Amino acid sequence: EVQLVESGGTLVQPGGSLRLSCAASGFTFSSYWMHWVRQAPGKGLVWVSSINSYGGSPSYADSVRGRFSISRDNAKNTVYLQMDSVRAEDTAVYYCAVPIGTTLDFWGQGTLVTVSS
Amino acid sequence: EIVLTQSPGTLSLSPGERATLSCRASQSVTANYLAWYQQKPGQAPRLLIYRASSRATGIPDRFSGSGSGTDFTLTITRLEPEDFAVYYCQQYSSSPLTFGGGTKVEIK
Repeated sequence: EVQLVESGGTLVQPGGSLRLSCAASGFTFSSYWMHWVRQAPGKGLVWVSSINSYGGSPSYADSVRGRFSISRDNAKNTVYLQMDSVRAEDTAVYYCAVPIGTTLDFWGQGTLVTVSS
Repeated sequence: EIVLTQSPGTLSLSPGERATLSCRASQSVTANYLAWYQQKPGQAPRLLIYRASSRATGIPDRFSGSGSGTDFTLTITRLEPEDFAVYYCQQYSSSPLTFGGGTKVEIK
């Protein structure tokens, strides 16, 4: 059974940093791209970042480029999202998701990031 | 970037009725790489439809997708109580991945 478990969400002050983790199991993690998608309270889904199966080709939404960094450790079956210089508008539930069959087939349960002083 | 516009924003229907949701793209979605997701409060999105018309594993056949190019439709033939939720379309034909703003299907 595919499982994705996010962690690391917390309350952080504007300008601060945090790192989200997504631990994967139930599939060959090293064979698939991984994505982060976020959802602000009461709002829709927004793609944030992705990384290929080898840890290359990172890409980012314009709103986070230069502040967020995606990485992965295939030995630990984990993908990360390093979030620096966070802003109030980064407040959201952050989901990791994996395109195994086609597009984003499987999603984690999400982790809440709140940016506030 | 491909912008997806969903309509209506809210659909008020009764159980047993038919729901028709629309998703329009700002430019053609190559190879019909268009997906639909269902999201219930407090839950992660669930993939319903991929490649515009293919049902994901375990999705009931009352859910169907159609369309091509820039106009796509999700149809739920007979609404069950568990179908009242928010539905999003998403394109994966070009980077960045983009989502529509969502359609809420609520109980009338």
